[in-house]
Amino acid sequence: ETGVTQTPRHLVMGMTNKKSLKCEQHLGHNAMYWYKQSAKKPLELMFVYNFKEQTENNSVPSRFSPECPNSSHLFLHLHTLQPEDSALYLCASSQDGAASGANVLTFGAGSRLTVL
Amino acid sequence: GQNIDQPTEMTATEGAIVQINCTYQTSGFNGLFWYQQHAGEAPTFLSYNVLDGLEEKGRFSSFLSRSKGYSYLLLKELQMKDSASYLCAVGGNTNAGKSTFGDGTTLTVKP
Repeated sequence: ETGVTQTPRHLVMGMTNKKSLKCEQHLGHNAMYWYKQSAKKPLELMFVYNFKEQTENNSVPSRFSPECPNSSHLFLHLHTLQPEDSALYLCASSQDGAASGANVLTFGAGSRLTVL
Repeated sequence: GQNIDQPTEMTATEGAIVQINCTYQTSGFNGLFWYQQHAGEAPTFLSYNVLDGLEEKGRFSSFLSRSKGYSYLLLKELQMKDSASYLCAVGGNTNAGKSTFGDGTTLTVKP
């Protein structure tokens, strides 16, 4: 497999459920990101990991819990979500977290989440 | 604060040229990126500018003026497959991948 792979592609969950989104990148990148894309709103950065260390938490509610066991894998653990959390969750990676204008994001296809 | 503006929708004809503008006011700047996103798919990288001027990549070109906080994406010889959303993003000061995105411009190409 190449690029950035996200699973599951679609997820429906109740507000009391616990589920996880998974992201895997095969690009040798050292930085990984979670973005949220809602209808009629711009992409919102949620979390940033550089070399497995979390370097950014963009005021995300604690019901979203990221995990980065190594530079190739990123998880987003979900619990007691609200209907307004329904959105497309995009994982991305980039070569590194340095201050480089060439630090292009490579996105996964996203996980479409619906919270009932 | 962060503010990125781009038109919501544009329509153009197959074979024509279209220019999508983006203005920004951000607290930091580390590159201006353009991404293309087809409906139901992931955004894919098109072009970036870190210095003023024009960058050309085949049918796509991107221009940047840092003093004016302005960029545009120019698409030439439009094809039907160019119908998509075009996202303007400003790279973060300490991490260009930590980008702030505009709302996106939905381009519809008609025959």
